Amino acid sequence: DQQVKQNSPSLSVQEGRISILNCDYTNSMFDYFLWYKKYPAEGPTFLISISSIKDKNEDGRFTVFLNKSAKHLSLHIVPSQPGDSAVYFCAASARTGTASKLTFGTGTRLQVTL
Amino acid sequence: NAGVTQTPKFRILKIGQSMTLQCTQDMNHNYMYWYRQDPGMGLKLIYYSVGAGITDKGEVPNGYNVSRSTTEDFPLRLELAAPSQTSVYFCASTQGYRYEQYFGPGTRLTVT
Repeated sequence: DQQVKQNSPSLSVQEGRISILNCDYTNSMFDYFLWYKKYPAEGPTFLISISSIKDKNEDGRFTVFLNKSAKHLSLHIVPSQPGDSAVYFCAASARTGTASKLTFGTGTRLQVTL
Repeated sequence: NAGVTQTPKFRILKIGQSMTLQCTQDMNHNYMYWYRQDPGMGLKLIYYSVGAGITDKGEVPNGYNVSRSTTEDFPLRLELAAPSQTSVYFCASTQGYRYEQYFGPGTRLTVT
């Protein structure tokens, strides 16, 4: 049972345009969501996060939107740059004692073309 | 400040061999994690630790063991390697709940 789903395995966007990556979740106990970016042969690096008490969080070119009623979040990248080409993972966590355990989606490969 | 380091970067094991994947962090984080990533899949949690001497199972713990004797180190042990353990292994650490996890560069393991 996949609790975090990224239904688009890949996305191609022209440089300068907006990239929109989507993520759906099923576990209503999730209350904190994160996006990670991963280049080949490297570990994931943190991009941006959002708490379930918010519906939007911005950091420079990156904005994450959360729709709790739809159990859906999205990552917007504006404007997209060639260096943004990577695999993007959505992750969610629910408080379990004192631990911070993340459940990951399967990733979306973004290609930004010139 | 090196963050999270992992050794080795690559390893090929024969079926039935054992090995230890090393993970060290220098950020004084209490929470550490081991994940595996299979091709085309997301990361799955193997084991985690909330502090020295305390470990617990994640989603896919079978075939692995961990220990946490210091805050800095969190080694992952494979006792009897199987082809199903061919994967990329990532170690991560964080200072607590609702903080991002920092990942190491990964260890690519092949079992043949």
